[in-house]
Amino acid sequence: QVQLVESGGGVVQPGRSLRLSCAASGFTFSTYAMHWVRQAPGKGLEWVAVISHDGSNKFYADSVKGRFTISRDNPKNTLDLQMNSLKPEDTAVYYCARRDSCLDSWGQGTLVTVSS
Amino acid sequence: DIQMTQSPSTLSASVGDRVTITCRASQSISSWLAWYQQKPGKAPKLLIYKASSLESAVPSRFSGSGSGTEFTLTISSLQPDDFATYYCQQYNSYSWTFGQGTKVEIK
Repeated sequence: QVQLVESGGGVVQPGRSLRLSCAASGFTFSTYAMHWVRQAPGKGLEWVAVISHDGSNKFYADSVKGRFTISRDNPKNTLDLQMNSLKPEDTAVYYCARRDSCLDSWGQGTLVTVSS
Repeated sequence: DIQMTQSPSTLSASVGDRVTITCRASQSISSWLAWYQQKPGKAPKLLIYKASSLESAVPSRFSGSGSGTEFTLTISSLQPDDFATYYCQQYNSYSWTFGQGTKVEIK
């Protein structure tokens, strides 16, 4: 069955960097667009970024544009999110999710806390 | 950017009730709308895509309708497992936006 497992979360100081990863299994990873979505504690869902199936197209939310970079390694079935210049408002659970216009499978999420 | 507005923010209902949640887009999104259910501490679950298509294995008591800027999610007979938070999500021109959520509580 489809499985998405995020890793890499933790506590980081403002201005520092963190790299999240998502390991995919149970489906043909290279044929699906992939997203990152985040949820601040007690708040709603916020779309962060998307990458096309072959990595040729990437789009970002305005709130992270220029600071976050989404990438993928299709032979390794992994999705990454490089987060630079982190701010306290980036504190959230980060989910990876599959598909294009809608998100049909989600990981369990990884918590990122930005605090001094 | 397209804004999505859900109403109500909170809804109190009883088992067996018919429940309707509304989502409005700030501009037309055709039928590019999805609905998700989220329970505390869990990832969201896709219920409806393309406004009215039921995701595989989702109970038929869930249904979606609408196009353009007005959409609804209906639960025909609320079950104990349905108490959760529901989000709408639009896709348009390489931009994805979620509504703020509707919490369905036990009355």
